[in-house]
Amino acid sequence: DIHIAQSPSSLSASIGDRVTFTCRASQTIDNSLNWYQKKPGKAPKLLIYAASTLQSGVPPRFSGAGSGTDFTLTISSLQPEDFATYYCQETYDTPHTFGQGTKLEIK
Amino acid sequence: QGQLVQSGAEVKKPGASVRVSCKASGYTFSVYHVHWMRQAPGQGLEWMGWINPHTGNTGYAQKFQGRVTMTRDNSISTAYMELSRLRSDDTAVYYCARYAGSYCDYWGQGTLVTVSS
Repeated sequence: DIHIAQSPSSLSASIGDRVTFTCRASQTIDNSLNWYQKKPGKAPKLLIYAASTLQSGVPPRFSGAGSGTDFTLTISSLQPEDFATYYCQETYDTPHTFGQGTKLEIK
Repeated sequence: QGQLVQSGAEVKKPGASVRVSCKASGYTFSVYHVHWMRQAPGQGLEWMGWINPHTGNTGYAQKFQGRVTMTRDNSISTAYMELSRLRSDDTAVYYCARYAGSYCDYWGQGTLVTVSS
């Protein structure tokens, strides 16, 4: 199975900050990496697919980059509604492993 | 606009089985695979498996092999996930999602399954 290491596990930031999350795969996964936002009591929301493609309706302050084994999700200017947990997921091979998540909290 | 609506919360005893349904609307159900995930309390997301509604073919994570069965009824655009021999650590919110080729774009609202004696 492919292992996905996501970092950091938690992050405190302020409104307007730029933040970056990282996922590293245990083997190359080309660009088969997606990013989801998860809020308590809500279903995950797709933000970025194929490493860098913004899902329709997602604000452009979200961006993804990377290929091979190393990937990032950046939020350029944090808004109040962005405080949530973020997960990456590889879809290169089954099982489609998720990272452990990064909890983004208000500083 | 696609939508997935899941069945309601369940409480089960250890050793029992649970079946969660996932009804699709707003798109052609048979065209897209349905994936199932879960999230235990305080834990991350865990991928369980998939079903191809057109063929009925399935694929399961090794962890759930022998305990999970995914089926579908195309006549009512509904996918099902049945988990047997439930344990307390199966307590989780279970999600279905439409798999659009390489990502899950539409998700169900989640179904809480509680396993308790």
